[in-house]
Amino acid sequence: ETGVTQTPRHLVMGMTNKKSLKCEQHLGHNAMYWYKQSAKKPLELMFVYNFKEQTENNSVPSRFSPECPNSSHLFLHLHTLQPEDSALYLCASSPEISGANVLTFGAGSRLTVL
Amino acid sequence: AQSVTQLGSHVSVSEGALVLLRCNYSSSVPPYLFWYVQYPNQGLQLLLKYTTGATLVKGINGFEAEFKKSETSFHLTKPSAHMSDAAEYFCAVSEASGNKLTFGGGTRVLVKP
Repeated sequence: ETGVTQTPRHLVMGMTNKKSLKCEQHLGHNAMYWYKQSAKKPLELMFVYNFKEQTENNSVPSRFSPECPNSSHLFLHLHTLQPEDSALYLCASSPEISGANVLTFGAGSRLTVL
Repeated sequence: AQSVTQLGSHVSVSEGALVLLRCNYSSSVPPYLFWYVQYPNQGLQLLLKYTTGATLVKGINGFEAEFKKSETSFHLTKPSAHMSDAAEYFCAVSEASGNKLTFGGGTRVLVKP
């Protein structure tokens, strides 16, 4: 399978649940990203990983916990979320950290917090 | 800090008509500029990008954009809209050394038959 794959595509969770979003890329890229896409707001960068090391945390609340075990996999662990965290969470990858690099996005995981 | 402004959150065009989506940016250094498209239930995919060189950039599906430094603009055009162009379009800017791609708010395009 090629490209960036995100699972699950849809997730409904209560505020006390713990769940995880998974992202996998088979492009040989070294950088991976989490973005949040909410209605009526621009895409927000959440986290950046380069060669498994976190290089950016864009002031994201601690109820979101990323994990990057290797350059091909990225997780977003979720716990005690709020209804305002309902959004489309997009994973992306790029060959390296560079402003000129094109990001390849997954289809997203649509999260609903009840 | 970088910022991107897309004029108009929704644009409606007739099939065969010109598509014009406006993007203005602010950046303290020469930027790299991108247009991405998002079709329903899909992630974003690259339409075109400007890094250096020719300021008129051609992309996929007949789209093109022109970088105008004096106007800090990177407007996207397509001469003749097709029904398959119905999607949301995002302008984005990054700096050469950075890993932060800053997106505009997006413009949703509706194509009328």
